[in-house]
Amino acid sequence: AQSVTQPDIHITVSEGASLELRCNYSYGATPYLFWYVQSPGQGLQLLLKYFSGDTLVQGIKGFEAEFKRSQSSFNLRKPSVHWSDAAEYFCAVGRVRSGGYQKVTFGTGTKLQVIP
Amino acid sequence: SAVISQKPSRDICQRGTSLTIQCQVDSQVTMMFWYRQQPGQSLTLIATANQGSEATYESGFVIDKFPISRPNLTFSTLTVSNMSPEDSSIYLCSVEDQSFAGVEETQYFGPGTRLLVL
Repeated sequence: AQSVTQPDIHITVSEGASLELRCNYSYGATPYLFWYVQSPGQGLQLLLKYFSGDTLVQGIKGFEAEFKRSQSSFNLRKPSVHWSDAAEYFCAVGRVRSGGYQKVTFGTGTKLQVIP
Repeated sequence: SAVISQKPSRDICQRGTSLTIQCQVDSQVTMMFWYRQQPGQSLTLIATANQGSEATYESGFVIDKFPISRPNLTFSTLTVSNMSPEDSSIYLCSVEDQSFAGVEETQYFGPGTRLLVL
């Protein structure tokens, strides 16, 4: 069974500083990997996804993530954080089931606080 | 990506009652999913709803407690039955975007329904 670990429950960064959110996955085959963001009182918004190919993936809002198979990681990065980035971030891994659709498993999330 | 709406956006209910949550998509989709997000927790898949067939429930979730309907390719409902305070959660609907002809499927989420059971 697949699983996702987000070791940091809460991270605080200063506005303008760089950000890296960690994500480790466990899955026997090549995973489908996702990062979602959930702002307070909102649903989940897809930031980026990795299926295959280039291991550095660009997403929306200036985010990127790098797939490292040797480390089973898919860390999310942003070079300069804005106050509006304060939210909860979820890493997820998907696998295709026999019915042809994905079972997506989510990590426990990392809450990002941005200070002036 | 598909645009997903949910009704109601939030509700406060008494224990023992039931609430039906609606999920509407602006395009036809094969698979719809219902998730629960308990306070301070991550998302847990409740069930998968395929149009024209019975929903498939994950371990720990049963049809009597969470009946699901999927009458067409753009709509689904989830009912939370005989509610207790432990059912207080955010319930999210999602759909799988298969615009890439069956590969690179991605799930997109509705805004969620925030349920408080007293």
